[in-house]
Amino acid sequence: AQTVTQSQPEMSVQEAETVTLSCTYDTSESDYYLFWYKQPPSRQMILVIRQEAYKQQNATENRFSVNFQKAAKSFSLKISDSQLGDAAMYFCAYRSAYIDTGNQFYFGTGTSLTVIP
Amino acid sequence: GEEVAQTPKHLVRGEGQKAKLYCAPIKGHSYVFWYQQVLKNEFKFLISFQNENVFDETGMPKERFSAKCLPNSPCSLEIQATKLEDSAVYFCASSQYRSRYNEQFFGPGTRLTVL
Repeated sequence: AQTVTQSQPEMSVQEAETVTLSCTYDTSESDYYLFWYKQPPSRQMILVIRQEAYKQQNATENRFSVNFQKAAKSFSLKISDSQLGDAAMYFCAYRSAYIDTGNQFYFGTGTSLTVIP
Repeated sequence: GEEVAQTPKHLVRGEGQKAKLYCAPIKGHSYVFWYQQVLKNEFKFLISFQNENVFDETGMPKERFSAKCLPNSPCSLEIQATKLEDSAVYFCASSQYRSRYNEQFFGPGTRLTVL
């Protein structure tokens, strides 16, 4: 089974600064998708950014970007110009591209991000 | 609808009571997933459906937990004889068949508290 590891239970960043959240995963599959979700105290799961494994180019969504290293099985999230509203739990997730493998998400254990005014 | 709907938002049960949670997937989505998020934030996959058929139930506890997705009805997750450790937020997610990114859209969750 696939595993997703987030080695930073907590991170903090000064407002307007940049922070990077780490994620590594283990899989024997060659085609898959990776996601970062934000979960504020309301518990709503909000998609931040996603990456297709077969794409070399790192995904970018406004202030959010990823550093996807397929060989190293690493998928870090960079938040630039951090804002108070970015404070939340962040979950890294893996999903196989093969429908017949079950297609569930595998989540990391999350990183709690604090933004300091 | 355009969003995954889950009801109720909160559910409180005494130990041993039954709990039933509902999920209405986004219209046109063929896959429904149930996840359990315990207080330590860990997500556990429970079960998935392809339309009304169980697709993957490898995460479902063999006892006490059951789920259904019937045509023209919300999907449901039922816990018989709840235990304290069932206290968690239960998320439902849906996705289109072979959608780009295989993205799952999450509902707001149902917080189950077992006393």
